[in-house]
Amino acid sequence: QQQVKQSPQSLIVQKGGISIINCAYENTAFDYFPWYQQFPGKGPALLIAIRPDVSEKKEGRFTISFNKSAKQFSLHIMDSQPGDSATYFCAATRGLNSGYALNFGKGTSLLVTP
Amino acid sequence: DAGITQSPRHKVTETGTPVTLRCHQTENHRYMYWYRQDPGHGLRLIHYSYGVKDTDKGEVSDGYSVSRSKTEDFLLTLESATSSQTSVYFCAIKGAGSSGAEFFGPGTRLTVL
Repeated sequence: QQQVKQSPQSLIVQKGGISIINCAYENTAFDYFPWYQQFPGKGPALLIAIRPDVSEKKEGRFTISFNKSAKQFSLHIMDSQPGDSATYFCAATRGLNSGYALNFGKGTSLLVTP
Repeated sequence: DAGITQSPRHKVTETGTPVTLRCHQTENHRYMYWYRQDPGHGLRLIHYSYGVKDTDKGEVSDGYSVSRSKTEDFLLTLESATSSQTSVYFCAIKGAGSSGAEFFGPGTRLTVL
């Protein structure tokens, strides 16, 4: 049973545009929500993360928006570049109670066209 | 990459044979994880460890066992490999200041014929 639902499955954005990937969860015990970026043939790399007491976190061109009441969070990539073309995963964890184990969404394949 | 290595990087084996994958870290992190990645499923947790000899099951643990006799090594064993275990396997560690898996290894591509 997928505990974190991610959409869309794939996304095509023009260079300079905004890429938006959405995730939703049900378990209110989740207390940490990271995003990972994965290039072909590589392991996922931690991109940015947020806790539920914060509604937004920004790091460079990457922003997480968090809506606790709706149990949704999203990744926004501003001024998208061809080098951002990768697969993105959202995740969530219950922290120490679950050994900090992550529950992942199924991933979004992002293609940024020149 | 926090000094995480996985071996082997690629393996082809036959149904019914035992297979052991190794994850090695150089940073003395307490928490280590094994995930498998399959198209359409994202990453799913197999097992994790929270210290030497301390392990627990994840959501897809059937057919897998793990061992951690040293802080730096976390072994994943497929007791009798099946074709459904064909996958890419990632090891991950949680850094001391992190709240989830922070670094992933390069992966092992396993094919079971």
